Amino acid sequence: QSALTQPRSVSGSPGQSVTISCAGTSRDVGGYDYVSWYQQQPGKAPKLMISDVTKRPSGVPDRFSGSKSGNTASLTISGLQAEDEADYYCCSYAGSYTFVFGSGTKVTVL
Amino acid sequence: QLQLQESGPGLVKPSETLSLTCSVSGGSITSSSHYWGWIRQSPGKGLEWIGSIYYSGSTHHNPSLKSRATMSVDTSKKQFSLKLSSVTAADTAVYFCARHGYTYGALIPFDYWGQGNLVTVSS
Repeated sequence: QSALTQPRSVSGSPGQSVTISCAGTSRDVGGYDYVSWYQQQPGKAPKLMISDVTKRPSGVPDRFSGSKSGNTASLTISGLQAEDEADYYCCSYAGSYTFVFGSGTKVTVL
Repeated sequence: QLQLQESGPGLVKPSETLSLTCSVSGGSITSSSHYWGWIRQSPGKGLEWIGSIYYSGSTHHNPSLKSRATMSVDTSKKQFSLKLSSVTAADTAVYFCARHGYTYGALIPFDYWGQGNLVTVSS
């Protein structure tokens, strides 16, 4: 069970859009529509931002959106804001009641 | 509001067993839809799912850790626990407990998390 592959870092200016990719395999990302995304601020617990590839929990701003194509899922932050600067992790169901997380991406707001 | 709180030693010696407990408040640990999981984060690294337990005691493990990780649940105390045996420095991490689950064929993601418990493995 290998970690899903994410870019180490992405950056953008306020108001711009950034997209974080999450590459897996047909045994995880590609096999199920159960990809979730988490935002982690320094020293804090992760916070659920997206579930089931595209669903936004109550309270999550609509500038956060998710998608998937084949074995790769993506998180897009539109209209980047300073408070979006954080680490982001994807997570996929991998069958047999197991999960695999991504390697994490640091989003920097320039 | 559901709350999870990890507790346990912050320092464990190499080759010994790491023990952590997660206390659940503000909700039921015997929910038929939910599992209770452990996730860790090594310093400066990503998240790693360790395993999850149902209130009945049924468990699921990360294959990479299965032989060393043991989970249990005490519904009367609304707590679930993790034991990780034969620890090395590589097991130094912040350990989180979190809720997830399954309902009507759909998966519930990790929606509630504890604040994390740093465990350092060192002599």
